[in-house]
Amino acid sequence: NAGVTQTPKFQVLKTGQSMTLQCAQDMNHNSMYWYRQDPGMGLRLIYYSASEGTTDKGEVPNGYNVSRLNKREFSLRLESAAPSQTSVYFCASSEAVGQGSEQYFGPGTRLTVT
Amino acid sequence: DQQVKQNSPSLSVQEGRISILNCDYTNSMFDYFLWYKKYPAEGPTFLISISSIKDKNEDGRFTVFLNKSAKHLSLHIVPSQPGDSAVYFCAPVEMNSGYSTLTFGKGTMLLVSP
Repeated sequence: NAGVTQTPKFQVLKTGQSMTLQCAQDMNHNSMYWYRQDPGMGLRLIYYSASEGTTDKGEVPNGYNVSRLNKREFSLRLESAAPSQTSVYFCASSEAVGQGSEQYFGPGTRLTVT
Repeated sequence: DQQVKQNSPSLSVQEGRISILNCDYTNSMFDYFLWYKKYPAEGPTFLISISSIKDKNEDGRFTVFLNKSAKHLSLHIVPSQPGDSAVYFCAPVEMNSGYSTLTFGKGTMLLVSP
């Protein structure tokens, strides 16, 4: 049981390049999330998907797009990377309602934009 | 405007002693509170939670106390162990429309020395 997996683990991009961060969960969770964590900061929500077929903006969505490909997979795309997007990106999943608000996190993707 | 404040960036305690990590919040709509633990280069992992209808929840060495009137919660770890050294995030939840989004504090780095 892998839980939440993320690829790649590390990535270096040049300003203006694009890339997609992949996330998959095998816990049959309805909801999935993308966060970023900058040094000395808590995790900030970029986008989330409450259920398959829906996506919504979080606290810091600018510069990102997402796709909920199916119930298992939720990808995050940077169309034109900027140095301000240098961060560690975490994907998470949870059951949708009630006490299932506990979120399970992947190991993270460390992205550097030069 | 920070909705969740963890005012101590770091805390050092000796093995066997009690560790007390504090969290203050401003949003009275928060109704479920989670603590996450994060080791370097890993994703956060769920530690313990408490519902707003309770004032205490205990799980082994970990106890969380909630003071709703003061909008304050604390995590007690006793006895502290070197393996507890990690960053601890307070993450309240506002349950809304069947999904849950977490608001993370900036975290407190706990160092437990032998």
